[in-house]
Amino acid sequence: GIQVEQSPPDLILQEGANSTLRCNFSDSVNNLQWFHQNPWGQLINLFYIPSGTKQNGRLSATTVATERYSLLYISSSQTTDSGVYFCAVDRMGAQKLVFGQGTRLTINP
Amino acid sequence: EPEVTQTPSHQVTQMGQEVILRCVPISNHLYFYWYRQILGQKVEFLVSFYNNEISEKSEIFDDRFSVERPDGSNFTLKIRSTKLEDSAMYFCASREGAGLYEQYFGPGTRLTVT
Repeated sequence: GIQVEQSPPDLILQEGANSTLRCNFSDSVNNLQWFHQNPWGQLINLFYIPSGTKQNGRLSATTVATERYSLLYISSSQTTDSGVYFCAVDRMGAQKLVFGQGTRLTINP
Repeated sequence: EPEVTQTPSHQVTQMGQEVILRCVPISNHLYFYWYRQILGQKVEFLVSFYNNEISEKSEIFDDRFSVERPDGSNFTLKIRSTKLEDSAMYFCASREGAGLYEQYFGPGTRLTVT
């Protein structure tokens, strides 16, 4: 099956710093989504981005489908950005999302 | 904004008992899913459901697991003869259509088997 690898596994930053999270996938995908898992365990949809670039406030994401990777940018980090960020993809013809292992982001005040 | 809802938020059960986790998908969505996440691990696919039948299931979804859409709004996951290793967060998700549509996730049900 398709493999999804996220890097780095852990990232510790000071408030106000910028960060880049990466998601590599091993095969062509139909869909790609980024999620933030908050301290209560809820999965918050950040972006639906099978290709191209999107921005939402301090967050933006870029997917280069032909090169099989996606990047999530967080600017001017806040402590509330802490949590685990997951990338998930599904392949053409398959409906299920395959998740990466996540990047645990810790923003210190 | 429409959202997927799940009940209960936390369920504690004894090993060997049956549990039913409930989900209300977004009303115009046609595809429904269950995923689970063991504490500290990644989210794993369990089952997908379309047109009143299972379209795909994972190895985790053994014969103790079943899903049902009993009416036009609810989507349930039943686990019989629960085991300690069933302890996890269970997420329901729904999608409007096949192809280029995103999946929307509910807040999850934390199942603890003692």
